Amino acid sequence: NAGVTQTPKFQVLKTGQSMTLQCAQDMNHEYMSWYRQDPGMGLRLIHYSVGAGITDQGEVPNGYNVSRSTTEDFPLRLLSAAPSQTSVYFCASSRTWGGPYEQYFGPGTRLTVT
Amino acid sequence: QKEVEQDPGPLSVPEGAIVSLNCTYSNSAFQYFMWYRQYSRKGPELLMYTYSSGNKEDGRFTAQVDKSSKYISLFIRDSQPSDSATYLCAIAANTGNQFYFGTGTSLTVIP
Repeated sequence: NAGVTQTPKFQVLKTGQSMTLQCAQDMNHEYMSWYRQDPGMGLRLIHYSVGAGITDQGEVPNGYNVSRSTTEDFPLRLLSAAPSQTSVYFCASSRTWGGPYEQYFGPGTRLTVT
Repeated sequence: QKEVEQDPGPLSVPEGAIVSLNCTYSNSAFQYFMWYRQYSRKGPELLMYTYSSGNKEDGRFTAQVDKSSKYISLFIRDSQPSDSATYLCAIAANTGNQFYFGTGTSLTVIP
């Protein structure tokens, strides 16, 4: 049981480039989400999904795209990277019914946009 | 107004001290309360989880929820240098779909 896995661990992009951050979980969780973490800002929700085929926006969705074709995978796409997207990105998963609802986090992807 | 507010610290205590970490929240609909610990350059890990009001104890850690005051606390007894980390509170409504995190409190336990 690997939990939540994320790839890559580190990435450097040039402004305007696109890329996909990968996230997978093996706990059969319905709920998956992406957060970014910046100093002094805490964790801010980018997008989330309550099941395959269902996604919704969080607090800071601009510049990011998601899809959920399977229960296990929830990739995050940066459409045209900007320096403001330099951050640490965390993927998380949890159940959405029957409780408990605590989220389990991946190890993070450190992204630098130059 | 943010859904949850947390004093960012930093907090520095001597080894063996009792540590109190706190958050306040705004919406009485929240039923699930969590504390996460995050070591430097790592992902958050779930430390304590509480449903509704009351206390929950796990070893040296006690989580407390006061729904009347919309106040949640984490107490660490006999603090150790290995407890040095950032602690984030988190809350969720009954549906479990929306989670809100505090900004985190940085704790250093000095040997």
